[in-house]
Amino acid sequence: AQSVSQHNHHVILSEAASLELGCNYSYGGTVNLFWYVQYPGQHLQLLLKYFSGDPLVKGIKGFEAEFIKSKFSLNLRKPSVQWSDTAEYFCAVNERGYQKVTFGTGTKLQVIP
Amino acid sequence: DVKVTQSSRYLVKRTGEKVFLECVQDMDHENMFWYRQDPGLGLRLIYFSYDVKMKEKGDIPEGYSVSREKKERFSLILESASTNQTSMYLCASSLVLGEGAEAFFGQGTRLTVV
Repeated sequence: AQSVSQHNHHVILSEAASLELGCNYSYGGTVNLFWYVQYPGQHLQLLLKYFSGDPLVKGIKGFEAEFIKSKFSLNLRKPSVQWSDTAEYFCAVNERGYQKVTFGTGTKLQVIP
Repeated sequence: DVKVTQSSRYLVKRTGEKVFLECVQDMDHENMFWYRQDPGLGLRLIYFSYDVKMKEKGDIPEGYSVSREKKERFSLILESASTNQTSMYLCASSLVLGEGAEAFFGQGTRLTVV
């Protein structure tokens, strides 16, 4: 069964610091991978998605992610965070051909001005 | 723009009550999902539906049922609400998942069972 692990539960950074959040999935077959963000009081929205092709994926708001198949990972990165990036970030996986989407436990990011 | 609308933002119900949470999407999506979100546990899938009248159990279906009589509407039912069902409930919808499709979420319903 598919599962997702997010190892960082709470991250605190100063503005302009670089961000990397880890995401590992368990399924050995072909997967679709997603990163979602939830700003305080708002609904979840998609940051980026990976299906195939170029392992470096660009998302919205300056976020990007690198898919490393050998490590079963899609780590989220941003070179320079802003206070407005304070939010909770969720990684999700979908086994190709199946209609279930499984989410990780989330990482709370706090950016200090 | 895809819109997923949940009927209530906040609900307070008594233990033992039957509770209905309603979700409507306006983009003719095949898939609809119900998750609950709890601090430290992330989003956990309760049920999903890939077509009208079709449903599959997610990871935590106990104590819940669902109904999908029309393509645009997916209801979550708590047959007899209990305090451990106090949570944020999120509805989502998507096209058939393959290359390119993603799930779109509603604003959530915060349910408190007293």
